[in-house]
Amino acid sequence: QVQLVESGGGVVQPGRSLRLSCAASGFTFSSYGMHWVRQAPGKGLEWVALMWHDGNNKFYADSVKGRFTISRDNSKNTLYLQMNSLRAEDTAVYYCAREYDYDGTRGGAFDIWGQGTVVTVSS
Amino acid sequence: DIQMTQSPSSLSASVGDRVTITCRASQSISTYLNWYQRKPGKAPNLLIYAASSLQSGVPSRFSGSGSGTDFTLTISSLQPEDLAAYYCQQTYSTPPYTFGQGTTVEIK
Repeated sequence: QVQLVESGGGVVQPGRSLRLSCAASGFTFSSYGMHWVRQAPGKGLEWVALMWHDGNNKFYADSVKGRFTISRDNSKNTLYLQMNSLRAEDTAVYYCAREYDYDGTRGGAFDIWGQGTVVTVSS
Repeated sequence: DIQMTQSPSSLSASVGDRVTITCRASQSISTYLNWYQRKPGKAPNLLIYAASSLQSGVPSRFSGSGSGTDFTLTISSLQPEDLAAYYCQQTYSTPPYTFGQGTTVEIK
């Protein structure tokens, strides 16, 4: 079935790096824009990054710009998030999500989500 | 960036009640507005896209309306399984695709 499975979370010290992965199955991964979204403890959802289906465009939230890098390998049906210079405020559950482009013009909706992977930044 | 403001931040209602959550955008977003449900310990789930389109598999007691800057999510008859946080999201502008701050729905 259509599925996204995140991995790579863990406990890391401030200033260190971590790479998250999101393995997709059950659909044509290369046809969809893919996002990372996070939720910090006690907070709401925060959009983090987007990569277009073909990898030609990337967008980031201001809070992670210059520190995080989104990438994808369409041959492996996998999305990545390289997180550098981690801060305590990056502590969150990180979700990958598929974008359903329902009208082909502006942004769509996030119709498939992974179960999330927990990142804790602490000394 | 477009800011999304939801109200109320939390509510408590009885089973069978009609529940309404509002979401206001800081500028017009046409109908590029989505609603998600996040149950405790679960990933978010898309309920409504394009302001009023019901996602496949979502119960018909959920509905959405609005355009421009003002939007509404309605649960016509609250059920115990609707205990969750609800988030609106705009996808009108170039990213960031901002979310509202969320509304927690509790069952009396």
